[in-house]
Amino acid sequence: EAGVAQSPRYKIIEKRQSVAFWCNPISGHATLYWYQQILGQGPKLLIQFQNNGVVDDSQLPKDRFSAERLKGVDSTLKIQPAKLEDSAVYLCASSLGGKAYEQYFGPGTRLTVT
Amino acid sequence: SQQGEEDPQALSIQEGENATMNCSYKTSINNLQWYRQNSGRGLVHLILIRSNEREKHSGRLRVTLDTSKKSSSLLITASRAADTASYFCATDAYNQGGKLIFGQGTELSVKP
Repeated sequence: EAGVAQSPRYKIIEKRQSVAFWCNPISGHATLYWYQQILGQGPKLLIQFQNNGVVDDSQLPKDRFSAERLKGVDSTLKIQPAKLEDSAVYLCASSLGGKAYEQYFGPGTRLTVT
Repeated sequence: SQQGEEDPQALSIQEGENATMNCSYKTSINNLQWYRQNSGRGLVHLILIRSNEREKHSGRLRVTLDTSKKSSSLLITASRAADTASYFCATDAYNQGGKLIFGQGTELSVKP
């Protein structure tokens, strides 16, 4: 079974530039998550989708971050404009359902903002 | 805000020894999960324990849950160098729609 795919794996940009990350979840998984993991910390949920609808985006900085999941499969996360504090690993995860199911994580995209 | 807090932040042991990591949380939960993260990689699910369970085993892993103390522990027995990784607890808090809140993690180093 193919795992969660993410691209790119690494990205370096200058502050005020924009960047987009892509995630392809495990086939058949209805729920998709984007997390931000700052070095030395645990992942923090940014947004959760159930199919193509948003379930929780309470911790998404909506002035600069946006995410979409068209057709309930792939998802993109965008940052525009980026700030230095956005430097982190962005993890995508998927699960069969939203509750009491294990989440399967992709390898992440390491973003460095200079 | 982080729900889980883990202790210790870092742990260094010799191969063959047991490793114990603890996690405390603040609110009522549906379940608690433990994940492993190797350096530069994504997280791997290890084990899930529901709020009505007190202990669970999976291979060399043993997880306990004490809901009265709002704490959990992860024991890795007979550790191996390949167990070197960061370990995170994550809580599925009651009435949070399945959102997982992760702790800061314990960095485990197993020396051969």
